[in-house]
Amino acid sequence: SYDLTQPPSVSVSPGQTASITCSGDKLGDKNVCWYQQEPGQSPVLVIFQDNKRPSGIPERFSASNSGNTATLTISGTQATDEADYYCQAWDSRIVVFGGGTKLTVL
Amino acid sequence: QVQLQESGPGLVKPSETLSLTCTVSGYSITTYYWSWVRQPPGKGLEWIGYIYYTGSTTYNPSLKSRTTISVDTSENQFSLKLRSVTAADTAVYYCARLSQTGTQDSWGRGTLVTVSS
Repeated sequence: SYDLTQPPSVSVSPGQTASITCSGDKLGDKNVCWYQQEPGQSPVLVIFQDNKRPSGIPERFSASNSGNTATLTISGTQATDEADYYCQAWDSRIVVFGGGTKLTVL
Repeated sequence: QVQLQESGPGLVKPSETLSLTCTVSGYSITTYYWSWVRQPPGKGLEWIGYIYYTGSTTYNPSLKSRTTISVDTSENQFSLKLRSVTAADTAVYYCARLSQTGTQDSWGRGTLVTVSS
């Protein structure tokens, strides 16, 4: 089975840049999405097809995917960005989620 | 604007079958794929499977033997059945719209299913 690895937690100060990584074998060859999930809420798509933002998602959210690592970057992090973030790969038409990263804005 | 709503019993006994339905509104179910995802309390997301309106399905290998997803195009709904449940199947179950590039762009609010006698 295909596995994706995320750090359990990342901390960032308000206004700084947060980076959340997602690692998997040849991940750069696959489509990667990122979801934001606030407590008690459904996941929300923030990045699709490696680096595209859905309408309504702030420009401070960006992402890249190359080699074995995809990275979600949040520039000028705000307190409202504190949430769990999940990467997801599309591997041979199978959906695979990473374990999730809790982003804390200190 | 597409909306998805999960429905079904919130309590299921061990060894029985969990059954949920997702009603899609604002969008025809005859395009896109339609997915089920679950999240045990305090844990991460786990993909269960998806279906196309033709009835073609793809399942998570770890759940395949117990899972059936079906579609009712006349009602614009799709459903999940998970057999022989145990406490480990207690989770919030979400339905979502899935594109051909693997993007789940719209999600239901989720429904908590507890497996307990």
